[in-house]
Amino acid sequence: AQSVTQPDIHITVSEGASLELRCNYSYGATPYLFWYVQSPGQGLQLLLKYFSGDTLVQGIKGFEAEFKRSQSSFNLRKPSVHWSDAAEYFCAVELQGAQKLVFGQGTRLTINP
Amino acid sequence: EPEVTQTPSHQVTQMGQEVILRCVPISNHLYFYWYRQILGQKVEFLVSFYNNEISEKSEIFDDQFSVERPDGSNFTLKIRSTKLEDSAMYFCASSGRDNEQFFGPGTRLTVL
Repeated sequence: AQSVTQPDIHITVSEGASLELRCNYSYGATPYLFWYVQSPGQGLQLLLKYFSGDTLVQGIKGFEAEFKRSQSSFNLRKPSVHWSDAAEYFCAVELQGAQKLVFGQGTRLTINP
Repeated sequence: EPEVTQTPSHQVTQMGQEVILRCVPISNHLYFYWYRQILGQKVEFLVSFYNNEISEKSEIFDDQFSVERPDGSNFTLKIRSTKLEDSAMYFCASSGRDNEQFFGPGTRLTVL
């Protein structure tokens, strides 16, 4: 079955530490890939996206993600987190031409001072 | 920077009542979407809309739901007879030809 998996429901890191949030997908073909962030009470903001080409993509707020076809993964990284990064992070995929996003369960990020 | 707007931010209704959630997509976008997020769960696709018709819909989007673009700027989601399980955050989104969907801030629907 087609699916998007974010294995970590909740991650806590210290301010200034590095961060990696995992995302795996199960689709027959390579979909378009996205990471969104949702702050409490807010909508979804796009951090970055991958359609094709360079497998390391840069996004806003210092985030980057790497697409690994062999692992069907699109993990989100940040070298040094800030307290303002505390939020819910969603990986999403869109099958080419499907006109809809399929979201993972989300990972809640807590930052320790 | 252009943004998607949604009204109201919070809607409380009685079970069985009709509700209309309103969205103003980004003005030059061509594709429009509704998603919902039940508290504590993931965001789920409901429907996509292009060229004045539904292009795709999920199993959730049954006969109780309808969408409309009544004029050149608004995009609405109507739930004819609300159920308790319709309580959720409803997000509108829009995109141009580049597949990048921009989301609104959401409408929290509470069905009592």
